[in-house]
Amino acid sequence: DTAVSQTPKYLVTQMGNDKSIKCEQNLGHDTMYWYKQDSKKFLKIMFSYNNKELIINETVPNRFSPKSPDKAHLNLHINSLELGDSAVYFCASSGLAGRTDTQYFGPGTRLTVL
Amino acid sequence: DAKTTQPTSMDCAEGRAANLPCNHSTISGNEYVYWYRQIHSQGPQYIIHGLKNNETNEMASLIITEDRKSSTLILPHATLRDTAVYYCIAYTGTASKLTFGTGTRLQVTL
Repeated sequence: DTAVSQTPKYLVTQMGNDKSIKCEQNLGHDTMYWYKQDSKKFLKIMFSYNNKELIINETVPNRFSPKSPDKAHLNLHINSLELGDSAVYFCASSGLAGRTDTQYFGPGTRLTVL
Repeated sequence: DAKTTQPTSMDCAEGRAANLPCNHSTISGNEYVYWYRQIHSQGPQYIIHGLKNNETNEMASLIITEDRKSSTLILPHATLRDTAVYYCIAYTGTASKLTFGTGTRLQVTL
């Protein structure tokens, strides 16, 4: 009954490959996000979707393409992987409860590009 | 988003209260003070948030000064499992981005 889940947990791949990370939330939330945590542990927003519509896109290379088939899923597809893409990617979701929209995070996907 | 300032690291003995300070002197009237923590490399975990009033839940208490320029997260009886990086974030709570700083690394010791 995990609230925000991601697959896979670990992903090791070669440079130049294309890969996808999946995210699902069962909280009934309208908004989903992707964050990236690099080797220096800085956590930064990449994208957010509200009801399948892109609302935040933070200067991310266009090799990264989020896809939201429905409001419970937000997948991240990465083309032509580069060494610098190695990081931990976290999915989050939020829904209005009371006056605020609190974000809840998934367990992360550790991507290693060789 | 308002910038927040936190100490880089703190230690706390198990069973004692852990008081984690945060300065947010430029916080806007519509920004809440949110606290998250990240245990090792797990996903950030929501702890608590508040606007003006002090707040308490099953995990922690949040004390916000009257001028809202600073706040303190209190873990009343710290355990070893509370060892983590704690992030204080000024957030409008309107489905926009969370801006994470470097946080405070709390080490709980025996």
